[in-house]
Amino acid sequence: ELKVEQNPLFLSMQEGKNYTIYCNYSTTSDRLYWYRQDPGKSLESLFVLLSNGAVKQEGRLMASLDTKARLSTLHITAAVHDLSATYFCAVGRYGGSQGNLIFGKGTKLSVKP
Amino acid sequence: KAGVTQTPRYLIKTRGQQVTLSCSPISGHRSVSWYQQTPGQGLQFLFEYFSETQRNKGNFPGRFSGRQFSNSRSEMNVSTLELGDSALYLCASSLGLATFTDTQYFGPGTRLTVL
Repeated sequence: ELKVEQNPLFLSMQEGKNYTIYCNYSTTSDRLYWYRQDPGKSLESLFVLLSNGAVKQEGRLMASLDTKARLSTLHITAAVHDLSATYFCAVGRYGGSQGNLIFGKGTKLSVKP
Repeated sequence: KAGVTQTPRYLIKTRGQQVTLSCSPISGHRSVSWYQQTPGQGLQFLFEYFSETQRNKGNFPGRFSGRQFSNSRSEMNVSTLELGDSALYLCASSLGLATFTDTQYFGPGTRLTVL
């Protein structure tokens, strides 16, 4: 069974600070997704990382993938309140009873002024 | 382009009842996947449908079932509801089989409460 671990699960940041969320997974995969979920809302796709060394940036968020280490990171630069949400990483795989997307538990980010 | 839509958005049922949830994918998308989200278990895969056929199924009891219609709309049914079925049910659509595509697009979810 593929396991996806995110840490930290809770993150309280001050505006203007930088931080990194980590996503480790237990078996080989070459697809890694990051999603954002606001309270009571659905999942919004942020990044899709499809190869080793892939790096994608959107605004204050940057995601990277190291398939050899089975690790993805989501780096937050100069956090602002609007980034407060829960962030999920999900690993893609081909079939299996866990489905095609196996999610981490999520990191609840709170950015305070 | 309209996104994924789910109906109803909220449901309250009692134990033992059954419920049907509906999902309309993005126009042109042929794959629909269903997920259950709970605070304890997180996001768990239920099943995926493509071209009216179930392609993959998660580890849920047989009380959970689904189907897909020729227009790609999908329904999931939960029979003999239990308290533990209270959850946010999300559907996601993708162009082709979710296995081979880049992104699944999620709907707003149906919040099911079982009393």
